[in-house]
Amino acid sequence: DSGVTQTPKHLITATGQRVTLRCSPRSGDLSVYWYQQSLDQGLQFLIHYYNGEERAKGNILERFSAQQFPDLHSELNLSSLELGDSALYFCASSRGTNTEAFFGQGTRLTVV
Amino acid sequence: LAKTTQPISMDSYEGQEVNITCSHNNIATNDYITWYQQFPSQGPRFIIQGYKTKVTNEVASLFIPADRKSSTLSLPRVSLSDTAVYYCLVGEPLLDAGNKLTFGGGTRVLVKP
Repeated sequence: DSGVTQTPKHLITATGQRVTLRCSPRSGDLSVYWYQQSLDQGLQFLIHYYNGEERAKGNILERFSAQQFPDLHSELNLSSLELGDSALYFCASSRGTNTEAFFGQGTRLTVV
Repeated sequence: LAKTTQPISMDSYEGQEVNITCSHNNIATNDYITWYQQFPSQGPRFIIQGYKTKVTNEVASLFIPADRKSSTLSLPRVSLSDTAVYYCLVGEPLLDAGNKLTFGGGTRVLVKP
């Protein structure tokens, strides 16, 4: 158990809908990262928050947004969902912004 | 961010040592090298991190030559459960780096009985 909690574990929704994925980082970790991993693909970096502030943005679509709250949990919002958004979405946390990050078990999103 | 190059796949047998080399020719002075392991449908797991020379922990060893343009992850006496994808990452662990923690393609290691 990495200490990073992601909910829900599975999500099935229809095209055009909006969903929210939640991540609770390890206790004391200030950084939260979001990744997308499609079937048999590598991990695509989406966005990084540190202590509530956005620090880096990767290939995140405009239909996607995220935030980190004062209690340090984070949410990834995906809207106007398309079939191609079906993927595993991982959250990771780290103490600062160094590269020793701990990943959650992911949320498997299926868009039908 | 430094670009990394790893072999796409490697096969090995139980009990053997597996060495995966990662090339990072444009590594910057402040960059660290980190390796992660990922099993299917699971989040990556940190294995080891180093800056130079050799680092060893209970799971693996990381060898980094003096020029730091490559690194080698060594997994001693692998078992079937070591079958996974292994990622090499190079990045600068500073507070204001806006660290993207970017993963490359990884190396798919298959351990056979």
